[in-house]
Formats: sequence, C-alpha cells, structure tokens
Amino acid sequence: AQSVAQPEDQVNVAEGNPLTVKCTYSVSGNPYLFWYVQYPNRGLQFLLKYITGDNLVKGSYGFEAEFNKSQTSFHLKKPSALVSDSALYFCAVRGLFSGGYNKLIFGAGTRLAVHP
Amino acid sequence: EAGVTQFPSHSVIEKGQTVTLRCDPISGHDNLYWYRRVMGKEIKFLLHFVKESKQDESGMPNNRFLAERTGGTYSTLKVQPAELEDSGVYFCASSPGGQETQYFGPGTRLLVL
Repeated sequence: AQSVAQPEDQVNVAEGNPLTVKCTYSVSGNPYLFWYVQYPNRGLQFLLKYITGDNLVKGSYGFEAEFNKSQTSFHLKKPSALVSDSALYFCAVRGLFSGGYNKLIFGAGTRLAVHP
Repeated sequence: EAGVTQFPSHSVIEKGQTVTLRCDPISGHDNLYWYRRVMGKEIKFLLHFVKESKQDESGMPNNRFLAERTGGTYSTLKVQPAELEDSGVYFCASSPGGQETQYFGPGTRLLVL
C-alpha cells in the first residue's frame, strides 16, 4: 500500500536558521511528490512538486525539496527561516493504481514554528 | 483568476441532521476532488470527478455521503444523517485535465454535536 510518513509532529527553528521538514514515502513505481502548506485559517497552498528530472526542486517562498530515491525521501528545506513560515506542512504522493490514479495520499502534517 | 471556493466556511449541526457542502472549482478545471481531515489526522481522499462523472469514489466512508457535480461545474457533498465522527475539515481541490497539481479551497469546518 502506498503511504507517506512525516515523522515529526512539530519542528522548532530560530529565525534565520535553516529548516528541514522530513517526509518519506512508500509507493510502487516512480512517485509524484508534493508539498503543501496550510497557514492558520487558510486552505492548502501548493508549494512544489517532483515529477521527474532534477532531484532538487525549487518552489514558492524560497522553499526547496530534495528527492532521494534510495532513501525514499522528499524532505522540504529552506536556507533561512522566517517567522512568517510558521504553518502546517503536508507532504503528499499521487496514487498510481487504477481507480485511484489521481488521488493524493497525505502525511499527517508537520507543524513548523519559527521563533524570533 | 479566482481560486477554489467552498461554502460554508463553518457548519455546526446536531447528530442526525443533514448538511450540504458546496465547492466551486477554478473555472475550466475538469477534475474536482473532495478530501477531509478528521481530528487532526491525515487528509484523506474521498472522491474524484472528471467533469460530471465520478472517476473514483473509493474514499467515500459510507452511504450517508452523497456527492454530485451538476453539469461538470460546481459540486456538492451531502451528509445525511450526520454522525459525530463526520466532524472535521472538508477540502475541495481542482486541477485542469492532464495536470498533476491540485489546487485546494479553504475548506469547510464541520462540527457535529
């Protein structure tokens, strides 16, 4: 079965420091991977995706993610965190089986708290 | 370009009542999805429309849930009768045909008392 794991419920980072939000996946075949962010009282916003090509993907708001096939990981990173980055982050993989070809399978989410 | 919109933003109902949630996708998007997040857990897929047809409804929890997409435009999700465990946030998303990225609405927060 396909699944996504976000091992950390919460990540705390000081402003200006680099941040990493971890994601690992389990899927048959080549994965399509996504990161979404949910700010308080807002919907999910698309950040970035990996479909194919370069393993380092750049997205919105200075975020990037690195696809690592051998470790089945897709960690979200940012070189210098901002207080405004504090939000709930979701990793997702697109289902590949027939009957579920386009559905997204989400991790449980990681709350990022950036402290001044 | 307007994003995905959902109505209402919040709904509080009693167990046994009926609630209808509405989603308006981005104009021109053939694909429309419903997801829900219950009690701070994972966001889980409910179903997928391609235009007015149900492509995949494998995530619908039971027959108390009924989704429709009239004319391939907006969609409604009806819960009848609502149970306590239906409480959560219901998200709608849409995408153009052939595109992988799904764009989400703000969600409807449903509380069943």
